Amino acid sequence: GQQLNQSPQSMFIQEGEDVSMNCTSSSIFNTWLWYKQDPGEGPVLLIALYKAGELTSNGRLTAQFGITRKDSFLNISASIPSDVGIYFCAGPTPYNNNDMRFGAGTRLTVKP
Amino acid sequence: DGGITQSPKYLFRKEGQNVTLSCEQNLNHDAMYWYRQDPGQGLRLIYYSQIVNDFQKGDIAEGYSVSREKKESFPLTVTSAQKNPTAFYLCASRGQGHTGELFFGEGSRLTVL
Repeated sequence: GQQLNQSPQSMFIQEGEDVSMNCTSSSIFNTWLWYKQDPGEGPVLLIALYKAGELTSNGRLTAQFGITRKDSFLNISASIPSDVGIYFCAGPTPYNNNDMRFGAGTRLTVKP
Repeated sequence: DGGITQSPKYLFRKEGQNVTLSCEQNLNHDAMYWYRQDPGQGLRLIYYSQIVNDFQKGDIAEGYSVSREKKESFPLTVTSAQKNPTAFYLCASRGQGHTGELFFGEGSRLTVL
């Protein structure tokens, strides 16, 4: 299946620090989605990107759709303890809009 | 309230037994999905259904079966043929339009003893 390569796998940061994570694919994606999963829960959508070069913010979160359409990054500014969780990139495959794929996730730990 | 409901939240099963996980949505969404989550491996697609009476295999469909007899329901059966069924199972649905947002249930954790 289509591979979404997400990095880093995990991050340990101090409260107040900024965080950056990214996702790459060998194939072009027309939509990039970023989700957050709290322990024992289902993922929740944070940001959706639909256009190459698009930069979108949601509070302290900012995400960009790479110009090549093969990558995306998510930044979190001034991290707080409740940012802890697993962050996933996702998107529908180029050939089937209903076939949704996810990266392996970035596990974020924030130390107070 | 609109949403997607999975049950049971926790399930224990003996080896060799089939088990069915329930997923119901009242969002009037056409597409529904089942993912499996193992530690460090993200979400892997088991099956998805774009419309009633139709479903497609994902990357890891072996040992699983699904049905889509009603728009609001997409149950997943973990059969005895699934070699390593202990995992966290997530159901999701998606509506029409280009937003692409999947709405997830709270998950079902299956443990095989």
